[in-house]
Amino acid sequence: DIQMTQSPSSLSASVGDRVTITCQASQDISKYLSWYQQKPGKAPKLLIYDASNLETGVPSRFSGSGSGTDFTFTISSLQPEDIATYYCQQYDNLRITFGQGTRLEIK
Amino acid sequence: QLQLQESGPGLVKPSETLSLTCTVSGGSISSSNYYWGWIRQPPGKGLEWIGSIYYSGSTYYNPSLKSRVTISVDTSKNLFSLNLSSVTAADTAVYYCARLRGHTAMLFGRHYYYYYMDVWGKGTTVTVSS
Repeated sequence: DIQMTQSPSSLSASVGDRVTITCQASQDISKYLSWYQQKPGKAPKLLIYDASNLETGVPSRFSGSGSGTDFTFTISSLQPEDIATYYCQQYDNLRITFGQGTRLEIK
Repeated sequence: QLQLQESGPGLVKPSETLSLTCTVSGGSISSSNYYWGWIRQPPGKGLEWIGSIYYSGSTYYNPSLKSRVTISVDTSKNLFSLNLSSVTAADTAVYYCARLRGHTAMLFGRHYYYYYMDVWGKGTTVTVSS
């Protein structure tokens, strides 16, 4: 199995801050990484696919980058509605694994 | 607009089989561009992929659950199903069904599949308890 190491596990930031989450794969997954946002009691929502492609309808303050084993997810200016848990997910050849999640809170 | 709805018992006894159905509306499960899958989330924990299926019946399972999981599809009813056998308390979770979008590539004579979840159901809570 491909292991995904996501950090930090939790993060506290102020409205307007730039927020960065990282995800490292245990082996090369090329660009096959997505990012999800999950709010309490809700299903996850796709934000980014293929490492850097923004899903339709998702605000442009969300972005992703990286390839191979190292990936980054960024919120350029944190908004109150961004409070959620964020997960990375690799999908190399339908052997899907998720990162442990990053819980984002407002400071 | 595509919608997915999970259904099934909310309580299952230990050692029995958990059975859930995902009904797809607003689109065809027989579309050649998508896979369909199950994901679960134990209380207070992260997400775990269970497995995925193509409308033709081809399946891919999480190796850690493979011996207990069966996913099937019924194209006439536009739904797919999950069976998880020999359940224990560790199988207590919210179970989500989802559509997977992506592409299939041919490399060195082999098919490789790159699909991620783009539409999710709302989830259903299953508790394993006697």
